[in-house]
Amino acid sequence: NAGVTQTPKFRVLKTGQSMTLLCAQDMNHEYMYWYRQDPGMGLRLIHYSVGEGTTAKGEVPDGYNVSRLKKQNFLLGLESAAPSQTSVYFCASSYVRSRLTYYEQYFGPGTRLTVT
Amino acid sequence: GENVEQHPSTLSVQEGDSAVIKCTYSDSASNYFPWYKQELGKRPQLIIDIRSNVGEKKDQRIAVTLNKTAKHFSLHITETQPEDSAVYFCAASRPNFGNEKLTFGTGTRLTIIP
Repeated sequence: NAGVTQTPKFRVLKTGQSMTLLCAQDMNHEYMYWYRQDPGMGLRLIHYSVGEGTTAKGEVPDGYNVSRLKKQNFLLGLESAAPSQTSVYFCASSYVRSRLTYYEQYFGPGTRLTVT
Repeated sequence: GENVEQHPSTLSVQEGDSAVIKCTYSDSASNYFPWYKQELGKRPQLIIDIRSNVGEKKDQRIAVTLNKTAKHFSLHITETQPEDSAVYFCAASRPNFGNEKLTFGTGTRLTIIP
């Protein structure tokens, strides 16, 4: 049971380049999330998905796109990278406990992205 | 939307002393309040959580208290040890018809001084 994995672990991009970050989970979780973490700003939600084929915007969605074609995978795309997107990106997944909607999130190891 | 404020941003305590981190939230409908610990270079991991139907929860040296009237909750770590040094994040979530998500505080860097 690998939990939540992310690919790649590190990446350096030039301004204007594009890339896709892959998140995979083997816990059969319905919900998946993408966050970015910047110093002093905590974890900010970029996009999330509550099920296969569904996505929704989070707090900071501009400049990113996502897709959830399979339940176990959640992809984050940067179409035209900018230096402001230099950050550590974390993926997370969660399940819903009964009807009370209490849940915990399991995080991946993170991807450190630098845009020059 | 929900806003979660966390204080202090940094905290240093002597080994063996207690540490307290406080968070306030804005949405009175929030009903789930987890705390995550993130060691340097690692992923955040859940250490304790509390639901809105209880006021306090303990797990060995850590405890969380919730005051729904005042809309704040706190993390208490007793008998601190060097391995408690990390960044701690609080978060809050409200029921949202299948669109639940967490709003995180900005984190507290806790340093345990040997």
